[in-house]
Amino acid sequence: EPEVTQTPSHQVTQMGQEVILRCVPISNHLYFYWYRQILGQKVEFLVSFYNNEISEKSEIFDDQFSVERPDGSNFTLKIRSTKLEDSAMYFCASSGAVLGSPLHFGNGTRLTVT
Amino acid sequence: AQSVSQHNHHVILSEAASLELGCNYSYGGTVNLFWYVQYPGQHLQLLLKYFSGDPLVKGIKGFEAEFIKSKFSFNLRKPSVQWSDTAEYFCAVNALYGNAGNMLTFGGGTRLMVKP
Repeated sequence: EPEVTQTPSHQVTQMGQEVILRCVPISNHLYFYWYRQILGQKVEFLVSFYNNEISEKSEIFDDQFSVERPDGSNFTLKIRSTKLEDSAMYFCASSGAVLGSPLHFGNGTRLTVT
Repeated sequence: AQSVSQHNHHVILSEAASLELGCNYSYGGTVNLFWYVQYPGQHLQLLLKYFSGDPLVKGIKGFEAEFIKSKFSFNLRKPSVQWSDTAEYFCAVNALYGNAGNMLTFGGGTRLMVKP
């Protein structure tokens, strides 16, 4: 079964540094998403991406965040200047275009900001 | 905006016990409903989904869920749990509006521990 893959599995960075989290969605999917889960808290929506642009974003997704699909396969989340509170598990997901298509999640990247 | 509530944060059961995890959502329009499971160290996996039709849906591994529209609920059930069901369970809602595609709003999760 096709999978969503995320790299790296764990990223440690210093406060103020930029990080890029990478994802390879399922190849025939058209919607891409980033979610995050702070330890002990719920899974929170960050952003959805369709047709090479952001289709929806949450209030968490402020100016320090950006997403990009630099080529035909990768989908990246960039955090420009990390803060301690950005420490979380970041999940990438993809889905088909049909409304109600289930999301397929990657294994996540655990980001630790020190 | 929609929200999802899972009232049980932690559940501990013995093997063969029956399971019911509560999920309520708030949104007045049409929704698709999902349960995802996250086994320790693994990614979120789809257990089952409801789009329309029979409000009782069956998923993988013997799980089922019932959509009760009047109660805005989508409770997950399993008649007899196994140790391997130890995981965190997330209810999620996809409210059909706007341009968010299949964006999901998740509940807070219920951590299930099954004692052998």
